[in-house]
Amino acid sequence: AQSVSQHNHHVILSEAASLELGCNYSYGGTVNLFWYVQYPGQHLQLLLKYFSGDPLVKGIKGFEAEFIKSKFSFNLRKPSVQWSDTAEYFCAGGPGGGADGLTFGKGTHLIIQP
Amino acid sequence: GAVVSQHPSWVICKSGTSVKIECRSLDFQATTMFWYRQFPKQSLMLMATSNEGSKATYEQGVEKDKFLINHASLTLSTLTVTSAHPEDSSFYICSAHSGGRAEAFFGQGTRLTVV
Repeated sequence: AQSVSQHNHHVILSEAASLELGCNYSYGGTVNLFWYVQYPGQHLQLLLKYFSGDPLVKGIKGFEAEFIKSKFSFNLRKPSVQWSDTAEYFCAGGPGGGADGLTFGKGTHLIIQP
Repeated sequence: GAVVSQHPSWVICKSGTSVKIECRSLDFQATTMFWYRQFPKQSLMLMATSNEGSKATYEQGVEKDKFLINHASLTLSTLTVTSAHPEDSSFYICSAHSGGRAEAFFGQGTRLTVV
């Protein structure tokens, strides 16, 4: 069965600290992977996505993620966080090759302290 | 581009009544839309896939007679929670794909409270 797991449910960092949020997936075949962010009171927004090719993907707002097939991981990183990065972050996966419903991780609530 | 809008943003209804939630793709056509449910402090769970012009596909454990889905046009899908009960209180979110892309665009969600 397909699944996506996020290791950290709550993370508190100070501004300018480096960030890494863990995400592991379990899929039978090829997979599309995503990181979404949800700011308070707003829609889910796509941060970045991986379909194929270069395993290091860069997204918006300085975020990046690395697809490591051998570890079934797709961790999200940012070298220096800002107060405005406070939000809920979701890792999600879907079958490769098409537009399908996604399987979401449980989310990580990130709080950045000024 | 690729904006998905849900209406209403929140709704309170009495137990036993039915509630309809609309999901619209504002600037693209979506042959497929998806309905998710999010319980407090939990992740989004896919409920069903809404297919334009045909029956919805429900995930295991989701009652199709309780959560009626209609996808009458390429820009509108509706989710009707029938005979709502307090345990149906949740955050319902829809998404759609633009142009067959694997990237999903999400609506802002609907907070349903059944009293």
